[in-house]
Amino acid sequence: NAGVTQTPKFQVLKTGQSMTLQCAQDMNHNSMYWYRQDPGMGLRLIYYSASEGTTDKGEVPNGYNVSRLNKREFSLRLESAAPSQTSVYFCASSTRFRDEQFFGPGTRLTVL
Amino acid sequence: EDQVTQSPEALRLQEGESSSLNCSYTVSGLRGLFWYRQDPGKGPEFLFTLYSAGEEKEKERLKATLTKKESFLHITAPKPEDSATYLCAVSFVTSGSRLTFGEGTQLTVNP
Repeated sequence: NAGVTQTPKFQVLKTGQSMTLQCAQDMNHNSMYWYRQDPGMGLRLIYYSASEGTTDKGEVPNGYNVSRLNKREFSLRLESAAPSQTSVYFCASSTRFRDEQFFGPGTRLTVL
Repeated sequence: EDQVTQSPEALRLQEGESSSLNCSYTVSGLRGLFWYRQDPGKGPEFLFTLYSAGEEKEKERLKATLTKKESFLHITAPKPEDSATYLCAVSFVTSGSRLTFGEGTQLTVNP
């Protein structure tokens, strides 16, 4: 089992460009999450999907959109990147029976 | 507002010197408390889940405990390979399965 995988690992964008971060899990988990991690701010929830077909905003959703493509895949889209979106992005998943989440390796995004 | 606070922000230990990390949370209905380890450039790695006051979990040199207001991660006779950032997260009754994370404690164990 690969667990949670994320692509790409690194990305550099110019202000105004768009991109999609991909996440997939092979643990048959129902819930999936997108976080950003910034120095001094900890991990903050952007969006989550409690089950296939549903998505909800987290703490910092502005400037992002998500798609729960199927049970395995949950993507995060930046429509018009801004320097404030420079961060490390983590995807996570969990079962519907327990709250512990399992994380991917992260995507390091720089917006110039 | 549900909050999670970790202390200290950073901790330096000598190999073999035992210590504890603290995670405190606002008491508004705890569903679960979680400890993670994060190495530089990696994603958080799940360590423990605690659900009720008095509960304890152990793994190698790590032991996590939970009271009604806080959790401790005790590190016994640490080794340099225990150096990492340790994150605490809480799920509250009001937020379902969503986790609120503390900012972490950066632990350095010197040989």
